[in-house]
Amino acid sequence: AQSVTQLGSHVSVSEGALVLLRCNYSSSVPPYLFWYVQYPNQGLQLLLKYTSAATLVKGINGFEAEFKKSETSFHLTKPSAHMSDAAEYFCAVSAGNNRKLIWGLGTSLAVNP
Amino acid sequence: KAGVTQTPRYLIKTRGQQVTLSCSPISGHRSVSWYQQTPGQGLQFLFEYFSETQRNKGNFPGRFSGRQFSNSRSEMNVSTLELGDSALYLCASSTGDLGYEQFFGPGTRLTVL
Repeated sequence: AQSVTQLGSHVSVSEGALVLLRCNYSSSVPPYLFWYVQYPNQGLQLLLKYTSAATLVKGINGFEAEFKKSETSFHLTKPSAHMSDAAEYFCAVSAGNNRKLIWGLGTSLAVNP
Repeated sequence: KAGVTQTPRYLIKTRGQQVTLSCSPISGHRSVSWYQQTPGQGLQFLFEYFSETQRNKGNFPGRFSGRQFSNSRSEMNVSTLELGDSALYLCASSTGDLGYEQFFGPGTRLTVL
């Protein structure tokens, strides 16, 4: 069975600082991995996804994530935080024949001026 | 292409009542998934419908039910509402293919008094 752990339910960074949101997964077969963002009172929006084509995945709004099989990680990064990045971020995994997405509990990102 | 739409956006009900929420997926998408989102609980998977058949189901009581029509539109019904059912209900559409991302609607905010 697959599982996802997001380390840190709340992360706070200063504007212009590096953003690092951590996601570790568990899967017995090659996974598909996703990062989504949710702004207040809105649905979720896909930031990026890993589907085995390349280990470094670039997404929207300057975000990227690197798939590290040896560490079973898929951490999300952005070199320089912007105030508009303040939101909830979710990591998700699907694998095998089960098309159901398994979700992490989310990380709330605060960006301080 | 129009996005995922959900109606209504906001709903207030009292305990014991029932409610029906509607979701119209992106044109061409045959999979619709429903989630319940509450603070601290993250995204809880309710069920997924694919081509009018329930393909996956989460761990919710039978008070929560759904269906999908031939045009892929989906409805979710909650009977005998409880205070704990107050949440944001999110609908997501997808092609249903393995590794394909889900596209989310804005959600329906249900408040049970």
